[in-house]
Amino acid sequence: GAGVSQSPSNKVTEKGKDVELRCDPISGHTALYWYRQSLGQGLEFLIYFQGNSAPDKSGLPSDRFSAERTGGSVSTLTIQRTQQEDSAVYLCASSPHAPALNQPQHFGDGTRLSIL
Amino acid sequence: DQQVKQNSPSLSVQEGRISILNCDYTNSMFDYFLWYKKYPAEGPTFLISISSIKDKNEDGRFTVFLNKSAKHLSLHIVPSQPGDSAVYFCAASADTDKLIFGTGTRLQVFP
Repeated sequence: GAGVSQSPSNKVTEKGKDVELRCDPISGHTALYWYRQSLGQGLEFLIYFQGNSAPDKSGLPSDRFSAERTGGSVSTLTIQRTQQEDSAVYLCASSPHAPALNQPQHFGDGTRLSIL
Repeated sequence: DQQVKQNSPSLSVQEGRISILNCDYTNSMFDYFLWYKKYPAEGPTFLISISSIKDKNEDGRFTVFLNKSAKHLSLHIVPSQPGDSAVYFCAASADTDKLIFGTGTRLQVFP
């Protein structure tokens, strides 16, 4: 596609439920990143994929968070047993290469997750 | 610890004048810096970047300046236009793809 696509755009769920967020990167981009933005905060790095492997998972806040990427394309971020502090906008980005070789990351419009 | 800081949460500028957005960082290993612009309910849009081997990069109305000794960068927008009103994020990376973002500055350009 022309840009990074994320779905759903909005998700409201009850505390304790599992959620799955999807990211479709720009075609041909090998690097994929997940960030989140909590209210009033900057973007916080979660995880980075090069192809299907994740060299850097350092930003995942707890073991309730996991992500996978298949076929070097689509990625899903899964949050198990959601908590209210998980409420945030989850953003996905992609770039052509990794290491970045000074290539900017291009972002989708995010999934706004609200935990009741 | 906040490695990338944008100390001004907001800035208001008259149309046609210069907007200057500032960003400070603490990690001397950062070697690539970017500015993103964000409208409500949209993802950040890449604006301009600069490598640590340079001290200035210009693209149309947008110029980024890097002062490595002061660990400071700034984004200049001239002339400012109402459509520039958005939240601007400074970001940095250190030889990895992980971007570290500041908390953003909300720019409002008024007629």
